[in-house]
Formats: sequence, C-alpha cells, structure tokens
Amino acid sequence: DAGVIQSPRHEVTEMGQEVTLRCKPISGHDYLFWYRQTMMRGLELLIYFNNNVPIDDSGMPEDRFSAKMPNASFSTLKIQPSEPRDSAVYFCASSFTGQQHQPQHFGDGTRLSIL
Amino acid sequence: KQEVTQIPAALSVPEGENLVLNCSFTDSAIYNLQWFRQDPGKGLTSLLLIQSSQREQTSGRLNASLDKSSGRSTLYIAASQPGDSATYLCAPDSGSARQLTFGSGTQLTVLP
Repeated sequence: DAGVIQSPRHEVTEMGQEVTLRCKPISGHDYLFWYRQTMMRGLELLIYFNNNVPIDDSGMPEDRFSAKMPNASFSTLKIQPSEPRDSAVYFCASSFTGQQHQPQHFGDGTRLSIL
Repeated sequence: KQEVTQIPAALSVPEGENLVLNCSFTDSAIYNLQWFRQDPGKGLTSLLLIQSSQREQTSGRLNASLDKSSGRSTLYIAASQPGDSATYLCAPDSGSARQLTFGSGTQLTVLP
C-alpha cells in the first residue's frame, strides 16, 4: 500500500512568495492532519479534516495560512505571503476511524525554507 | 491544555542493553497513546498504539505500557540494536478534539 504522499519534498523560496504544499492521504482514511515541526516548538498540529471537512484549525498560526481538502484524496496547505519564520518541516498524516482509534500515518514531510 | 514530557531527552547505550523511555502527560482524559520513531530527515513511523482501556501493547522487541490515571507511559526496548537509533516520540490522543499532542522526544543512540 502506498503511504501518505507529500510534495514537494523540499521547497526554497523568497519571502513574500506564495507556497503550496500538497498531500495525498492513504486511500480509505477519513481523517487528515497537517503538522509543523521546528526545533523550538517541536511538532504542532495546525489543522485537521474529517471526511474532507475542516474540524479544528485553531493551530493555524495566522491568516496567512490556509488549508483545503477538495476531495478525499487530496489536500493543500497554502502560505501567502510567506515569511522566514515559516521555515519548518510540514507533515501531513492520515488515519481511519473504525471501532477503535487507529494509528496516524505520516508522510515524509516537506522541508520549507523561506529566505 | 495537554502537556507531554519525555525523559530522558537523550540516551546513549551499548548494543544489547534493555532500556526504558518515559512519557508523562497532564490530562488523563485520553482515548489512546501512540509511540512513534523519527529518523533524521524522515517522517514519523507509528510503533505502537495503546487504547485507553489497555495497559500494555507489544510488538517484537517493543513493549509499551500505559497508566492513564497517573498520566504515564513507558516504552521498553529489549536487546537494543544500532538500527534502533532514532528519536522516539510519545503522543496522547485527547479524544474530544481528536488531536495528538507530542512530547519533545528522546534521542536514542545505540552504540555497536
């Protein structure tokens, strides 16, 4: 089975540019999560979706961040305009809710550098 | 707000040793707790998930325990190998919000 697929793996761009990160969850999973990892703050949940609907976006740091899930197999996280402090590794994860909670499966992440 | 602490922050052991990684959390109202490993430059790999009704979960050389009432979990690694070198993260799932809260991790180095 293919795991969670994120693209691009690395992104380097200049401050002020728009950045779009992409995620394809595992087929059949009904939850999708976006996380950010930095040395200072560790792993933080930004937003999560259930059946393509955003449930909690309280972790999104600012209005410059937005996320969408137009269908069950695709999600985007957009930063516009980007700033140097947005530099981090962004992870997407997905899971399936059966009778019991199932593990979250993570992609390999997008390493974002804003110059 | 859930807070997660992992001790020790770093650990270096010779190959073959048994070891214990500790995790504590402040809010005991959790649905489950996951242990992950993260290799440098990689994503997280789920190792074990313990449901709140369970006290233990085992996979190969790994055994995770959960004491929900005291807000503690441990990950026991038997007969450690150099390939076990990674950062280990615990993450309780605060079910009402369906959120994982991560500790800062324990960086494990197993010396050959």
